[in-house]
Amino acid sequence: NAGVTQTPKFRILKIGQSMTLQCTQDMNHNYMYWYRQDPGMGLKLIYYSVGAGITDKGEVPNGYNVSRSTTEDFPLRLELAAPSQTSVYFCASSPRGGVTFQETQYFGPGTRLLVL
Amino acid sequence: GENVEQHPSTLSVQEGDSAVIKCTYSDSASNYFPWYKQELGKRPQLIIDIRSNVGEKKDQRIAVTLNKTAKHFSLHITETQPEDSAVYFCAASRGNQGGKLIFGQGTELSVKP
Repeated sequence: NAGVTQTPKFRILKIGQSMTLQCTQDMNHNYMYWYRQDPGMGLKLIYYSVGAGITDKGEVPNGYNVSRSTTEDFPLRLELAAPSQTSVYFCASSPRGGVTFQETQYFGPGTRLLVL
Repeated sequence: GENVEQHPSTLSVQEGDSAVIKCTYSDSASNYFPWYKQELGKRPQLIIDIRSNVGEKKDQRIAVTLNKTAKHFSLHITETQPEDSAVYFCAASRGNQGGKLIFGQGTELSVKP
């Protein structure tokens, strides 16, 4: 299993540009999450999904959009990039549910985004 | 909504000493409390977690305690080693909100040889 993978690893955007951060997991997890981590800070939840076709906002959703058409993929879309979106973005997945109700979130390696 | 406060923000100990990191949470309905370790430039990795129906959990040199009445939980690392140096994050979540984790601000632990 590759676990949770993210692309790209690093990207520089100009103000106003758009991009999609890709996240894929091969563990058949229903739950997926997007967090951002600003320098020296904790992680803030942007959006999450409890299954294909279902998404919901987290703490800091403004400026972002998500979709979940398959169990494996959970892309994060940035429209009209702003310097305030400079951050490291982590995707995570969790097997929540089922008999064991395992809640552990497994994180991807992150995407470092710089908006200039 | 939930708010998680973590202290201290930095902690320096000598190798072999113990380290304690404390977190408080605001939402009494929170019932799952994981701790993550993040090395520089790497992803967060779960090191231990505890549910609200348990007061203490231990895994080798790492232990977590939970006081539901006071709404605080702590991470204890004994016999610290240089490889324990990292940033540690606590988090809290409610079981009925999609497993959303609210993270503390992090503690940078430095273990000096």
